[in-house]
Amino acid sequence: TQLLEQSPQFLSIQEGENLTVYCNSSSVFSSLQWYRQEPGEGPVLLVTVVTGGEVKKLKRLTFQFGDARKDSSLHITAAQPGDTGLYLCAGVTGNQFYFGTGTSLTVIP
Amino acid sequence: KAGVTQTPRYLIKTRGQQVTLSCSPISGHRSVSWYQQTPGQGLQFLFEYFSETQRNKGNFPGRFSGRQFSNSRSEMNVSTLELGDSALYLCASRHNVPGLGTEAFFGQGTRLTVV
Repeated sequence: TQLLEQSPQFLSIQEGENLTVYCNSSSVFSSLQWYRQEPGEGPVLLVTVVTGGEVKKLKRLTFQFGDARKDSSLHITAAQPGDTGLYLCAGVTGNQFYFGTGTSLTVIP
Repeated sequence: KAGVTQTPRYLIKTRGQQVTLSCSPISGHRSVSWYQQTPGQGLQFLFEYFSETQRNKGNFPGRFSGRQFSNSRSEMNVSTLELGDSALYLCASRHNVPGLGTEAFFGQGTRLTVV
């Protein structure tokens, strides 16, 4: 089983603060994806990273894939209440997806 | 392009009953995966279908089954429902994107409550 551990599990911050969420594994993946899920809805794909060391930016969100393609981080600058949700990472190998344990983020206005 | 459609959105069933959930993937996507999501266990993989064939299966009892039709629509069935089957059931439509590999797009889910 290829486990993906996310940290922290829960995060509650004030609007305007910065934060980083981590996704770690001992396994190598061909790509890694990040999703955001709002209560009662399905996860929405935010980004896919495929190259070791790759950095992708999506407005205030910065995603990085580790050099060894085993881990990833998501950094949010100046968090807003609309960023509230469950953030999931998923490691992909072939046609197999391995989802992380999730980070529940609450941004307080 | 329409997204992934899951029906019904909400369902309440009694222990011992059976239930069938439906998923229509994004047009052109041939792979459909099913997941069970609960607060304690997170997202658990049930099975994946590709071109009407089950390609991968998670670690769930035989009460959980699925199938895929020629139009790629998929159904999952849970028989002899137990209280612990209460969860959000998610369907993901998957396809290969050149340069990015396989990407998954989720439906809104079906919230199943077993009483």
